[in-house]
Amino acid sequence: DVKVTQSSRYLVKRTGEKVFLECVQDMDHENMFWYRQDPGLGLRLIYFSYDVKMKEKGDIPEGYSVSREKKERFSLILESASTNQTSMYLCASSPIVVGQPAHGYTFGSGTRLTVV
Amino acid sequence: SQQGEEDPQALSIQEGENATMNCSYKTSINNLQWYRQNSGRGLVHLILIRSNEREKHSGRLRVTLDTSKKSSSLLITASRAADTASYFCATGHSGGGADGLTFGKGTHLIIQP
Repeated sequence: DVKVTQSSRYLVKRTGEKVFLECVQDMDHENMFWYRQDPGLGLRLIYFSYDVKMKEKGDIPEGYSVSREKKERFSLILESASTNQTSMYLCASSPIVVGQPAHGYTFGSGTRLTVV
Repeated sequence: SQQGEEDPQALSIQEGENATMNCSYKTSINNLQWYRQNSGRGLVHLILIRSNEREKHSGRLRVTLDTSKKSSSLLITASRAADTASYFCATGHSGGGADGLTFGKGTHLIIQP
């Protein structure tokens, strides 16, 4: 069964801490994404990557950075956690398939982060 | 910026009835996708329709796309209690799919047994 695995289901961190959220996929997908989901706001794109060591800003990159050193792993980093970063974080991946211009995403189960 | 907007925000129907959810978007798209999310979990991809397609079926799901009206609908026929979930439309703007989907805020569907 193909998977996107997020390392933590629930996480509680203190304001000012540096936080790492890890995401690993076993499908050899080229594209990987980080979203956050908040009530009333839906899903918003933070960062994405279409190749190793490549990264692109999404709609709300402020306060975040990412790392993609290996194809299967995409890490989201909160440089100095703040209470307004309390949210559900969702990682997703998708392939680039020759002859198919677009493909659905496979999502992880999410990490619910609380910053206190 | 939010691209898709689902309507209604919430929908409650009896088991066995059909459920219809609508999605409107603002700018031109390459494709539109529908996802399901069970409470507190990740999203599951349901169906993708490309901008040159008008209708697509998958099991009990039927999706339509009207690019002239910038709208899509998701029909779930013969609903079951297990269909209770939030449903999101998402729009893609590039052919390669590498620029990130833009999601709406979702429709919360409740199927009453």
